[in-house]
Amino acid sequence: GEDVEQSLFLSVREGDSSVINCTYTDSSSTYLYWYKQEPGAGLQLLTYIFSNMDMKQDQRLTVLLNKKDKHLSLRIADTQTGDSAIYFCAVLNQAGTALIFGKGTTLSVSS
Amino acid sequence: DAGVTQSPTHLIKTRGQQVTLRCSPISGHKSVSWYQQVLGQGPQFIFQYYEKEERGRGNFPDRFSARQFPNYSSELNVNALLLGDSALYLCASSLDARGEVDTQYFGPGTRLTVL
Repeated sequence: GEDVEQSLFLSVREGDSSVINCTYTDSSSTYLYWYKQEPGAGLQLLTYIFSNMDMKQDQRLTVLLNKKDKHLSLRIADTQTGDSAIYFCAVLNQAGTALIFGKGTTLSVSS
Repeated sequence: DAGVTQSPTHLIKTRGQQVTLRCSPISGHKSVSWYQQVLGQGPQFIFQYYEKEERGRGNFPDRFSARQFPNYSSELNVNALLLGDSALYLCASSLDARGEVDTQYFGPGTRLTVL
């Protein structure tokens, strides 16, 4: 079945850029998502990218997709302490009914 | 506009009991999906419902069941609770179940603890 892998931790200084990486196995995935989860909260949709795109930029967020390598990344520019959270990569399954999530990357931002 | 709402926020049950979790989707959304998030893991898909019909089911035992009502709200039922059912249960709503262009928006979740 579909599998999504992420590195578990990332630590950066305030003002630096953060890059969170994700790999997935199903090349037929059409939509790929990034969600943010703060402690004790649900998931907040950050952005998504369609599989025929290489890059999408949304304010401080840049998503890069390498479909050949099945690699997705999320870059956060000028990282702030409020960006500290768990970031989940998710891909839509073949049936288009379910999101398959990675285990999440914990981003820690120090001032 | 109100987002996805879930009730209750927290719940404590004992092994063998049954539980019902509730979800109200964003106004105008017709599809509801349920996910289980165990501590330290990513969410795992349980069900998707659209127009009161089950459109997808994840790898969960028959103790898990769900339904969707005419107003598009949904309930998730879990029977014969096990300790391993302790998790955050997330509900997500989307406009419809076509998937490809259909972004899922999540509620705050219900934290279930089984003792």
